[in-house]
Amino acid sequence: GAGVSQSPRYKVAKRGQDVALRCDPISGHVSLFWYQQALGQGPEFLTYFQNEAQLDKSGLPSDRFFAERPEGSVSTLKIQRTQKEDSAVYLCASRTQGIGFFGPGTRLTVL
Amino acid sequence: QLLEQSPQFLSIQEGENLTVYCNSSSVFSSLQWYRQEPGEGPVLLIALYKAGELTSNGRLTAQFGITRKDSFLNISASIPSDVGIYFCAGRPETSGSRLTFGEGTQLTVNP
Repeated sequence: GAGVSQSPRYKVAKRGQDVALRCDPISGHVSLFWYQQALGQGPEFLTYFQNEAQLDKSGLPSDRFFAERPEGSVSTLKIQRTQKEDSAVYLCASRTQGIGFFGPGTRLTVL
Repeated sequence: QLLEQSPQFLSIQEGENLTVYCNSSSVFSSLQWYRQEPGEGPVLLIALYKAGELTSNGRLTAQFGITRKDSFLNISASIPSDVGIYFCAGRPETSGSRLTFGEGTQLTVNP
């Protein structure tokens, strides 16, 4: 595609539900990142993939957060047993030659 | 590795120039400036890679500090479509590929 796409764009979950957020990076981009952006804040790093290898997951806030990229293209960020504090915009970015391209994000609201 | 950005809010008249500042106590291997509009992901404006580097992109000019701990972004002859939130984001020297974002500067341009 022309850019990074994310789905769904909006997700409302009840506390305790599991959610899965999808990222389709730009074709051919080896590097893929997930960021979490709270309201009124800058994005914060969650995790990084190079192809299918998850090279850095130090930003994941708890073991309820899990990300995968099994075939080195599409990535899924899964949040188990969602909590209210998980409410945020989740941004995916793919990168080539040092330049990152962000998707529009998924706005997650946990009630 | 905190990136401090100033000002947090900026309201100017169309045609005026503005400067946003970003500084840290940490050294960054590269520094980038992004603009984010509501409901969208950040879009890269300028990327800086070398100490002291001065780069322009149309009406935008940015410089990476000599110590690689600070930067500024200047926008000349502002227009209403410049509105948005501007972020600086640096790649810490010690933290691999992740980006650390500043808190953002919300810009309003009054016609």
